[in-house]
Amino acid sequence: EDQVTQSPEALRLQEGESSSLNCSYTVSGLRGLFWYRQDPGKGPEFLFTLYSAGEEKEKERLKATLTKKESFLHITAPKPEDSATYLCASGGGADGLTFGKGTHLIIQP
Amino acid sequence: DTEVTQTPKHLVMGMTNKKSLKCEQHMGHRAMYWYKQKAKKPPELMFVYSYEKLSINESVPSRFSPECPNSSLLNLHLHALQPEDSALYLCASSQGWGKGGTEAFFGQGTRLTVV
Repeated sequence: EDQVTQSPEALRLQEGESSSLNCSYTVSGLRGLFWYRQDPGKGPEFLFTLYSAGEEKEKERLKATLTKKESFLHITAPKPEDSATYLCASGGGADGLTFGKGTHLIIQP
Repeated sequence: DTEVTQTPKHLVMGMTNKKSLKCEQHMGHRAMYWYKQKAKKPPELMFVYSYEKLSINESVPSRFSPECPNSSLLNLHLHALQPEDSALYLCASSQGWGKGGTEAFFGQGTRLTVV
């Protein structure tokens, strides 16, 4: 059974203060590692898919990386609008997604 | 804007009511999903429907029943729910099937309250 563990549970940063969120995974065979952003009361918004160790994806202030055991979501010079819960998930296809518990990120002006 | 549309956005129902949640995707995807999300918890998979085959999370009670009228539509029929079933219900779709790891796209959810 896939297991996905995210840390920290919550993170409070000042605007412009860069940091990283961690996602460690234990899966029988990685079919995909996914990052989502979720705002309160809304559905998760897809950010990135990573398939292979060493792979990197970027979008605006966000960069996702993957190793054989974990993934990082790096946030560079964050703005208050980056405040959200960031979810990591593995799986996909017929088995659906297994989510971590998420990191609740707050960016203070 | 999401291309997965869920209706209604909010629903309040009594424990003896029968209601349905509706989901439509406009991306030509062949797999659709229902997830349940309680407050401050991650989404949990309830059902997968793809190529007319249904996969069920065995922990989901029978008071929830999915229906897939066609490859673009997915309904979730609700009957005799309990207050603990109150949650955000999320529909998603993806292109992949089998063991493929393609990403899923989510709708904005239906906020269900059972009274």
